[in-house]
Amino acid sequence: GAVVSQHPSWVICKSGTSVKIECRSLDFQATTMFWYRQFPKQSLMLMATSNEGSKATYEQGVEKDKFLINHASLTLSTLTVTSAHPEDSSFYICDPGQETQYFGPGTRLLVL
Amino acid sequence: AQSVTQLDSQVPVFEEAPVELRCNYSSSVSVYLFWYVQYPNQGLQLLLKYLSGSTLVKGINGFEAEFNKSQTSFHLRKPSVHISDTAEYFCAVSRTQGGSEKLVFGKGTKLTVNP
Repeated sequence: GAVVSQHPSWVICKSGTSVKIECRSLDFQATTMFWYRQFPKQSLMLMATSNEGSKATYEQGVEKDKFLINHASLTLSTLTVTSAHPEDSSFYICDPGQETQYFGPGTRLLVL
Repeated sequence: AQSVTQLDSQVPVFEEAPVELRCNYSSSVSVYLFWYVQYPNQGLQLLLKYLSGSTLVKGINGFEAEFNKSQTSFHLRKPSVHISDTAEYFCAVSRTQGGSEKLVFGKGTKLTVNP
């Protein structure tokens, strides 16, 4: 099946710093990447959709200037959390949205 | 728009007992249906999915689910659970349009299997 990797798997950072999360599709080309966020003890919510070669689309309530998404190639999409705050602490998961719906393993972000 | 309702937030059962985790969905268009499992501090693992064809879908770890279009349900079942099945289970839907589609998740059901 489709393999998706995420890096890093864990990150702890200070408030005010920026964190970049990479999502790679290892054995297929992903023209689209969905980015989900899961707060502790909650379900997953879609944050944004990245499209290779074009601007990402953001869900209502998600700040596009804070969560920068880049999808520069068919195998790599990145999410950068800028000026991170403790309330951004969450589990971030990417999904190429293929019919088989394989997710990346997730990145757990803790902002101190 | 699609929505998913998982009727039980927590389900405690004893080991070797049967279990059913309920999921209902709402959609004005055809959907694909999924069940995922999430173990503590881990990512999502696909248990099974319904895309088309037989309404009874068998997945990994002995789980199965039945798509019921008239009742808009996709309940997950296992005839005999193990301690290792303790986890959070998420039901999700996506539209059946071609190409990549986002998932809409239910709020999850925490299954706890007790000895």
